[in-house]
Amino acid sequence: GQNIDQPTEMTATEGAIVQINCTYQTSGFNGLFWYQQHAGEAPTFLSYNVLDGLEEKGRFSSFLSRSKGYSYLLLKELQMKDSASYLCAVGDSNYQLIWGAGTKLIIKP
Amino acid sequence: IAGITQAPTSQILAAGRRMTLRCTQDMRHNAMYWYRQDLGLGLRLIHYSNTAGTTGKGEVPDGYSVSRANTDDFPLTLASAVPSQTSVYFCASSVDSSGANVLTFGAGSRLTVL
Repeated sequence: GQNIDQPTEMTATEGAIVQINCTYQTSGFNGLFWYQQHAGEAPTFLSYNVLDGLEEKGRFSSFLSRSKGYSYLLLKELQMKDSASYLCAVGDSNYQLIWGAGTKLIIKP
Repeated sequence: IAGITQAPTSQILAAGRRMTLRCTQDMRHNAMYWYRQDLGLGLRLIHYSNTAGTTGKGEVPDGYSVSRANTDDFPLTLASAVPSQTSVYFCASSVDSSGANVLTFGAGSRLTVL
């Protein structure tokens, strides 16, 4: 079956760095996405990886290893507004997205 | 408006009643999707439409129907609501249905079936 695994919850301190991991097993692979979702709001797009390696976008970076079925989202210089859930999703062989349950990130002052 | 509009924002519904959740986008996106989001579970695809006039079943289509008469509108209908359909429903769209199809989501519709 198809499966996306990510930690349920993580806690980090304002100004620090946090890495959120995602492992996947899917039928086919057409890219890996990270979305941010604040409580009570809609998910918003953060990053897309289709080739192995690191994609950097400001304070956020995303890494992909297709051979290991693994990705991580790295958040630097954490701010209180980064408190949110982070959703990992993989495009399968039909280009449909398979979603993880999300990682709730709690930022403490 | 710019983006996706969903209505209603929230609704409490008696079991057995019929309900239509509305979704309209103004981005001229070809593909549209309906997801449900439940605590502890990932977003689950209910139905999708790759282009106006076509629809397809997602992971959890039972009890739901959709139509795509034009590019902008993609309503989701619950013919006879049951308590297990209590959830937050998100409509989303993307330019097309292949490759790096980044989704834009509506604000969600919270549905409670009693």
